[in-house]
Amino acid sequence: AQRVTQPEKLLSVFKGAPVELKCNYSYSGSPELFWYVQYSRQRLQLLLRHISRESIKGFTADLNKGETSFHLKKPFAQEEDSAMYYCALRGDNAGNMLTFGGGTRLMVKP
Amino acid sequence: DAGVTQSPTHLIKTRGQQVTLRCSPKSGHDTVSWYQQALGQGPQFIFQYYEEEERQRGNFPDRFSGHQFPNYSSELNVNALLLGDSALYLCASSFGPSYEQYFGPGTRLTVT
Repeated sequence: AQRVTQPEKLLSVFKGAPVELKCNYSYSGSPELFWYVQYSRQRLQLLLRHISRESIKGFTADLNKGETSFHLKKPFAQEEDSAMYYCALRGDNAGNMLTFGGGTRLMVKP
Repeated sequence: DAGVTQSPTHLIKTRGQQVTLRCSPKSGHDTVSWYQQALGQGPQFIFQYYEEEERQRGNFPDRFSGHQFPNYSSELNVNALLLGDSALYLCASSFGPSYEQYFGPGTRLTVT
């Protein structure tokens, strides 16, 4: 079975502070990990995927297979980063099925 | 391109009734996946359609069924509605079963 856990329902930081959204997963094979974001009144959209190893909107995430984690980080939060963030996993034999975590609401205060 | 579209936006049904939700994929996409998102939770995979066949299914009962049409659009049908079926139903499309999924705005179903 595959599972994704986001331990924080809400994360509140001040503008300019560093941000780390935690994601832990359980999967026996070689997963592909994603971060999706949903801004207010917008649809769910892909933020980044671990195989791309790129930075999007200043966010980065590194897959740590030893700790089975894929935490999302940004050194300096901006107010426009306020949104719901979902970590998702796709297994290596699961077709295109995505398993999502429960989500973390990020609030960036001015 | 309007992206993935879903209809209706909202609907209210009574326990025991049946409902059909519709999804049109993004232009050029041929694969449609459906997810259920209960309040305060992440989306849960229901099933995926490709080449008009159900290719993969999540842990949902047979009351949940679907269809994909030759134009790649899709329907999700839920029979014998339960209160617990109240949720946001998301459709996602992709260019092939293994590529990036683009999500629609969702249909909010309320069962009373």
